[in-house]
Amino acid sequence: QSVLTQPPSVSAAAGQKVTISCSGSSSNIGSNSVSWYQQLPGAAPKPLIYENNKRPSGIPDRFSGSKSDTSTTLGITGLQTGDEADYYCGTWDNSLSVRVFGGGTKLTVL
Amino acid sequence: QVQLQESGPGVVKPSETLSLTCVVSGYSISSGFYWGWIRQAPGEGLEWIGSISHSGTTAYNPSLKSRVTISTDTSKNQFSLKVTSVTAADTAVYYCVREVGGTFDIDYWGQGTLVTVSS
Repeated sequence: QSVLTQPPSVSAAAGQKVTISCSGSSSNIGSNSVSWYQQLPGAAPKPLIYENNKRPSGIPDRFSGSKSDTSTTLGITGLQTGDEADYYCGTWDNSLSVRVFGGGTKLTVL
Repeated sequence: QVQLQESGPGVVKPSETLSLTCVVSGYSISSGFYWGWIRQAPGEGLEWIGSISHSGTTAYNPSLKSRVTISTDTSKNQFSLKVTSVTAADTAVYYCVREVGGTFDIDYWGQGTLVTVSS
């Protein structure tokens, strides 16, 4: 069982918007910045969002991140079939002294 | 452009030691950042194994700490992972990564290498 909680799956139609939640506690999300990673089938994870809401160079502004207290949300607008992937949130847990990840959310674009 | 490339045996026998190396190009590992390992069992999520700073300070996942060692070879600009006494539960894709100190972000990932523990 993961320290950070994500829904196992989400789906939405092409062109629509979807949000993926990630909840934690005061010792992880509540104390540290959060990153999001996109893992396409058969590929390594790719940085999508860092420091809660910043996008690395090359990541379109269709992807956004927000954080509130002990939870964080990834938003994706204008969904494309190429967005079908597993999405992971991650941060550091001060109590466990370990980097923690969510269990991952599989996005299906209908 | 920073690139990381894992290498090592694809199959390791139970009870033996898993050894992987990550060669870094485009950045000197002695200049900064943290250099780490993350693994992903088949069909599962991501598990952080540990990391080493540019100055040699290590941090390990408590659940693996007794079996894991991460080290650097700055002359070859690479870092390594050793996991002792492996079992089938250690079968996974192993990724080497660059971690940003202070913000806990991972900004570069290797392509990953599958290690299967089997006799």
